[in-house]
Amino acid sequence: RKEVEQDPGPFNVPEGATVAFNCTYSNSASQSFFWYRQDCRKEPKLLMSVYSSGNEDGRFTAQLNRASQYISLLIRDSKLSDSATYLCVVNGDGGFKTIFGAGTRLFVKA
Amino acid sequence: GAVVSQHPSRVICKSGTSVKIECRSLDFQATTMFWYRQFPKQSLMLMATSNEGSKATYEQGVEKDKFLINHASLTLSTLTVTSAHPEDSSFYICSARTGAPNTEAFFGQGTRLTVV
Repeated sequence: RKEVEQDPGPFNVPEGATVAFNCTYSNSASQSFFWYRQDCRKEPKLLMSVYSSGNEDGRFTAQLNRASQYISLLIRDSKLSDSATYLCVVNGDGGFKTIFGAGTRLFVKA
Repeated sequence: GAVVSQHPSRVICKSGTSVKIECRSLDFQATTMFWYRQFPKQSLMLMATSNEGSKATYEQGVEKDKFLINHASLTLSTLTVTSAHPEDSSFYICSARTGAPNTEAFFGQGTRLTVV
């Protein structure tokens, strides 16, 4: 089993839709979590951190469920510019080991 | 956010030659650096993790003698693709993080390597 797993997608949604991605992790001792965004032929960039209490930034909401060992990313009112690959990241080993998921591809269409 | 600079952004080299890619953290001390490879329309593949002053830890299936990693300072790591072949053509990306636990990693801009 991979340490971090994501549904690769692609998710094809119309503009204005709400879309959610989940990411599961295997190490229950994992301590910190992040969502990154990668545009085609570019490097990944940090989108947001995921806190135990949840985190909201505009149209984006990230949540952590430690009991079920997954994190989620919710995008409301999708824009064409949201089309990208979304990577979840988990820090384990006392917070020193950074593990990336394979990413979920999102296509938002007009 | 913190800045990680990767150079060169693009390189074309002849088969059999070696190519060195640099990854610099410009405004923080990068205790740990990661090197990834990404083929078109595929996910990031971790090649190796390097801690400053130590030998890199390579992922299974990555040849350490072919992909030489040096992390001699807290601001610089290099990846050298030795005796490059066309199948090594790919997008190589570094990322760096501090030694503090539970911090995010920051990525360089990536290097698009084409071996002809």
